Amino acid sequence: GESVGLHLPTLSVQEGDNSIINCAYSNSASDYFIWYKQESGKGPQFIIDIRSNMDKRQGQRVTVLLNKTVKHLSLQIAATQPGDSAVYFCAEGGGAQKLVFGQGTRLTINP
Amino acid sequence: DGGITQSPKYLFRKEGQNVTLSCEQNLNHDAMYWYRQDPGQGLRLIYYSQIVNDFQKGDIAEGYSVSREKKESFPLTVTSAQKNPTAFYLCASCPGPAGGLGNQPQHFGDGTRLSIL
Repeated sequence: GESVGLHLPTLSVQEGDNSIINCAYSNSASDYFIWYKQESGKGPQFIIDIRSNMDKRQGQRVTVLLNKTVKHLSLQIAATQPGDSAVYFCAEGGGAQKLVFGQGTRLTINP
Repeated sequence: DGGITQSPKYLFRKEGQNVTLSCEQNLNHDAMYWYRQDPGQGLRLIYYSQIVNDFQKGDIAEGYSVSREKKESFPLTVTSAQKNPTAFYLCASCPGPAGGLGNQPQHFGDGTRLSIL
């Protein structure tokens, strides 16, 4: 079936470096994509979203890139901080009445 | 503050027992969702409701039941038919079906962790 997946289950970066978290999706009909951050023992928090009529969207210290040709989504976090340590999920939606979530990438920030 | 409140934070179930997880939102959202999260995995949809008195099965509805009698409340019952109920349960909401439920961010509560005694 259609699924959303991630290239890497874990990612470690040095504090202050930029982080890039990747996500592959397989449903070519999806036209809405969203990134969430989940800290231990808490619910996911919305970070940023993007629609398929865009290929880039920027927020505060975060950028989401969408490549529809290869069905790839990425989240870039600039100047990572200890508070960025969490699990990051991508999700796809659009045609269906629900979002489909990926498995998540755990981001660890090294001091 | 507006938000989603899940209770209790931790819950224990005995064999053969039904338990109910509470989810309340004061965001005036029409749509509400229940997800199950297992360790190291993503979110799997159990049930969702687009409007009061209406709900649909998600991908893993077997062994669960819901009701939506009020806009702000969407309780989930984990029945004895659910043989592997140990998981982290997340409730979410979004404004509504306008534009499609798959086209807007969902807002999450902080979850209920269910374990078996």
